[in-house]
Amino acid sequence: QSALTQPASVSGSPGQSITISCIGTSSDVGGYNYVSWYQQHPGTAPKLMIFDVSNRPSGVSHRFSGSKSGNTASLTISGLQAEDEADYYCSSFSSSSTHVVFGGGTKLTVL
Amino acid sequence: QVQLVQSGAEVKKPGASVKVSCKASGYTFTTYAISWVRQAPGQGLEWMGWISAYNGDTNYAQKLQGRVFMTTNTSTTTGYMELRSLRSDDTAVYYCARAPLSTSLDYYYYMDVWGKGTTVTVSS
Repeated sequence: QSALTQPASVSGSPGQSITISCIGTSSDVGGYNYVSWYQQHPGTAPKLMIFDVSNRPSGVSHRFSGSKSGNTASLTISGLQAEDEADYYCSSFSSSSTHVVFGGGTKLTVL
Repeated sequence: QVQLVQSGAEVKKPGASVKVSCKASGYTFTTYAISWVRQAPGQGLEWMGWISAYNGDTNYAQKLQGRVFMTTNTSTTTGYMELRSLRSDDTAVYYCARAPLSTSLDYYYYMDVWGKGTTVTVSS
């Protein structure tokens, strides 16, 4: 069982926007502005999309944005494209004995 | 360009140990940590820990304490992850990743460049 809770799947049509939620606690998501998001296509390594809640690494499309409210972090993808179809994982720093925790992952399907 | 090249697939028996390497290039090795993350078949990501390439400090996931050991060789810019007393549920793809220091947090919590992964199979 993952420390952070994500929906198992989300879907959207090309051009639409979708949001993936990541629910934690005051010990992780709610207590720190240290949330990251990763994209993983089948059979490949994860790719960093967002760090520090809302910062994009260079080279990541502006269509990807991150935010946080209370114990819930969110990843929003606007203008959905076929290549966005992948698994997405949130992660957060945690004050627990294991300091980095992941969500269980969300499968994004572009219809 | 920044690159992390991992060693090849391994098959081990229960109770054995495995050591995976991660050769870094394209950046100043000692200004980052090397983190390790694993992914069991069909499952999500699991953080294992990190080692600072600057001073060798380590931080491991609690469930792996005592079984996982991370080292680096700064002369060859290579990181290593050794997992001992292997069990069948250690079967997974093991990823190394470069971890920048979050200066405000003074901790390496995210990973910005990843290796392609090393498959470790534990089977009798």
